[in-house]
Amino acid sequence: AQSVSQHNHHVILSEAASLELGCNYSYGGTVNLFWYVQYPGQHLQLLLKYFSGDPLVKGIKGFEAEFIKSKFSFNLRKPSVQWSDTAEYFCAVIPMYSGGGADGLTFGKGTHLIIQP
Amino acid sequence: KAGVTQTPRYLIKTRGQQVTLSCSPISGHRSVSWYQQTPGQGLQFLFEYFSETQRNKGNFPGRFSGRQFSNSRSEMNVSTLELGDSALYLCASSDSDRGGGYTFGSGTRLTVV
Repeated sequence: AQSVSQHNHHVILSEAASLELGCNYSYGGTVNLFWYVQYPGQHLQLLLKYFSGDPLVKGIKGFEAEFIKSKFSFNLRKPSVQWSDTAEYFCAVIPMYSGGGADGLTFGKGTHLIIQP
Repeated sequence: KAGVTQTPRYLIKTRGQQVTLSCSPISGHRSVSWYQQTPGQGLQFLFEYFSETQRNKGNFPGRFSGRQFSNSRSEMNVSTLELGDSALYLCASSDSDRGGGYTFGSGTRLTVV
């Protein structure tokens, strides 16, 4: 079964600092990749997704992520964070089977990001 | 477009009881999946329905079941509740049967006492 590892459980940054959150997955086949964000008291929202093509994908709110197939990684980045980025961030993968079907999302444990003003 | 709607928002049940949670997907979405979120285990996949058929199931006991209706609305049932079933249950819908983007609802917070 596939698994997702997020290396940083808690990250504290100051406003305007650059952000990179690591995500690695274990699955030998084709996957679709996602980053979700959960702001305090709110539901999960999709930040960005990668299905195929350009491995550098841009999402909402200035976030981007790079898929490196050889490293099984999909790291999330933002050049300059804001206080409003304080939230829980989840990396998720879904394996794409050769028959075209898909399994459910497998999530990482999440990274709690705190931005200090 | 209305989002994914889950009802009720909060539930308190007693150990041994059963519970049914409801999810209305985004209009036009035929895929509905369910997840359990707990502080210890994080987000875990329960099952997915597409066009009224269960396509995939996560590693949960048979006490957890679900169904999908012809209008794509879905229900999840947990029988013989245990204290460990206390969690936030999330529903997600997608317009794709091929692992496309999923939109999540706000969840149902279930507390088992």
